[in-house]
Amino acid sequence: AQSVTQLDSHVSVSEGTPVLLRCNYSSSYSPSLFWYVQHPNKGLQLLLKYTSAATLVKGINGFEAEFKKSETSFHLTKPSAHMSDAAEYFCVVSIRQTGANNLFFGTGTRLTVIP
Amino acid sequence: DAGVIQSPRHEVTEMGQEVTLRCKPISGHDYLFWYRQTMMRGLELLIYFNNNVPIDDSGMPEDRFSAKMPNASFSTLKIQPSEPRDSAVYFCASSPATVTLGAFFGQGTRLTVV
Repeated sequence: AQSVTQLDSHVSVSEGTPVLLRCNYSSSYSPSLFWYVQHPNKGLQLLLKYTSAATLVKGINGFEAEFKKSETSFHLTKPSAHMSDAAEYFCVVSIRQTGANNLFFGTGTRLTVIP
Repeated sequence: DAGVIQSPRHEVTEMGQEVTLRCKPISGHDYLFWYRQTMMRGLELLIYFNNNVPIDDSGMPEDRFSAKMPNASFSTLKIQPSEPRDSAVYFCASSPATVTLGAFFGQGTRLTVV
């Protein structure tokens, strides 16, 4: 079975401070992992993806995530938060299994950036 | 490419009416997904297609919901009859042949059933 758990439903940081959004996954197969961002009243935008290449993945807007198989984690980080980063972030897992090409979404983490 | 295009962006309808949501996937993408997003349940996969064929519709909540993909460039999600609890944002997404590379989402259709 595949699932993804976002440990925090809401994270609040001050502008200019680091961001950490946590994600743990479970998968019976080699997973592909993604982070999507959703700004208010907007669609979902792919932030970054891990597909078994480098374990440290760099995405757009200065975000990056590290795949840690031993911890089954794929936490999203950014060194310095910007006001425009305020949004909902979704961790997503996909499996490489014939006949089951699907995306499993976490429940989301709402990031608030305080001026 | 213009990305995944959904229409309408907003729909307000009365309970009992038929609602049709439309989606144009990115050209060349083999997979098309329909998701529903609500505050209570988050993002739920309703159905997905591979090469225009429905693969998994286990997420479709009831028989009132139906989805079609008559060709590679168009899909519809229909609700008949609509109910207030169907109010949500409905997203369409498409993906190339290797889904594990990620999916691209449309802007969504905000449906309100009164």
